[in-house]
Amino acid sequence: TQLLEQSPQFLSIQEGENLTVYCNSSSVFSSLQWYRQEPGEGPVLLVTVVTGGEVKKLKRLTFQFGDARKDSSLHITAAQPGDTGLYLCAGVVMYSGGGADGLTFGKGTHLIIQP
Amino acid sequence: KAGVTQTPRYLIKTRGQQVTLSCSPISGHRSVSWYQQTPGQGLQFLFEYFSETQRNKGNFPGRFSGRQFSNSRSEMNVSTLELGDSALYLCASSPGTISYNEQFFGPGTRLTVL
Repeated sequence: TQLLEQSPQFLSIQEGENLTVYCNSSSVFSSLQWYRQEPGEGPVLLVTVVTGGEVKKLKRLTFQFGDARKDSSLHITAAQPGDTGLYLCAGVVMYSGGGADGLTFGKGTHLIIQP
Repeated sequence: KAGVTQTPRYLIKTRGQQVTLSCSPISGHRSVSWYQQTPGQGLQFLFEYFSETQRNKGNFPGRFSGRQFSNSRSEMNVSTLELGDSALYLCASSPGTISYNEQFFGPGTRLTVL
């Protein structure tokens, strides 16, 4: 069972359209990160959200952490071909003793923005 | 600052062989984590090293091992390679003592097992 479910798995849209990708779990995360990965490269961190209900904006990208800290979304406004890539969410589950097992990744959303 | 470097970038091995992959973290970073990325399973955590000690380990068989040197460089080794070990192996370094706060990934080593 995947701890973090991302949807959709694949998304192909036209330049200028808006889109939202989702990251859901039944577990509570102390923090959640979004990465973007391009072919032949490693993932690059876009944002970290920590507080339930938190919203962060990065130019045309808006990230939201659910109130219960179990889910997150990434919204892109007026998508551009340069936004094409694999978008990954990753979370940290904290144990009651304060430890953690490191980052757990979702399988990602493959996004293609067509000119 | 130079980014995380991984060598080699591409590797082809046959079943039963062993392989060693290398990772040089960003200067000053003491935490190094390793991940396996496949189309079917996505990114899966292998292990994390901090100050030459393995701090966390994922759910992988004992054929997968690693180590970290005093200069924070890390290596991972896979023995008795299987076809299913074909994957992109990613290394990530972190600046602080809490590795999962912010990770900087290298470009990965693409391992193909024939």
